[in-house]
Amino acid sequence: KAGVTQTPRYLIKTRGQQVTLSCSPISGHRSVSWYQQTPGQGLQFLFEYFSETQRNKGNFPGRFSGRQFSNSRSEMNVSTLELGDSALYLCASSLGWEANTEAFFGQGTRLTVV
Amino acid sequence: KNEVEQSPQNLTAQEGEFITINCSYSVGISALHWLQQHPGGGIVSLFMLSSGKKKHGRLIATINIQEKHSSLHITASHPRDSAVYICAVSRNTGNQFYFGTGTSLTVIP
Repeated sequence: KAGVTQTPRYLIKTRGQQVTLSCSPISGHRSVSWYQQTPGQGLQFLFEYFSETQRNKGNFPGRFSGRQFSNSRSEMNVSTLELGDSALYLCASSLGWEANTEAFFGQGTRLTVV
Repeated sequence: KNEVEQSPQNLTAQEGEFITINCSYSVGISALHWLQQHPGGGIVSLFMLSSGKKKHGRLIATINIQEKHSSLHITASHPRDSAVYICAVSRNTGNQFYFGTGTSLTVIP
């Protein structure tokens, strides 16, 4: 069974550009959550989708958005990139949205903004 | 103050040593998770706990709900255990985790 797949693995963008990251969950998983990891702030929750609906949202500006498709694949978009958006972006998938459901993480997309 | 505090931040051990990493949290939780992150970034979920104790190979995780405290123990540590160990809590439904700052473990042969 394939794990959580994130594409691309590495990305370099220029300030002001926008970027779209993709996350394919484990087959059968319907919940996808996104996280940002930086040396200064550590890991922070961005948002979570279940059945194509955003269920939870972290404390990030509106430049960060996401969506989930009917096949549970998810994308996140960051517009008007800033240098501080340079980070490792991780997604995780789980079977459902119930409490105490194990999450499986992808390898992450490392975004560098120059 | 962070909802989740971990200690120590850095830990160096000799191969074979018994290792303990601690996690304290200040909010009500539905579950506590121990995660492992190797250089390169990918995260592996080691344990999900809502009570008691779990064991997997040389790894043991315990949680005390009343004291809002959890520990991750590694017995007979090995250089391949070198990684960052992260404590995370989930509060309600879903995977909106609150993360500790991580413990960087180096096991020397």
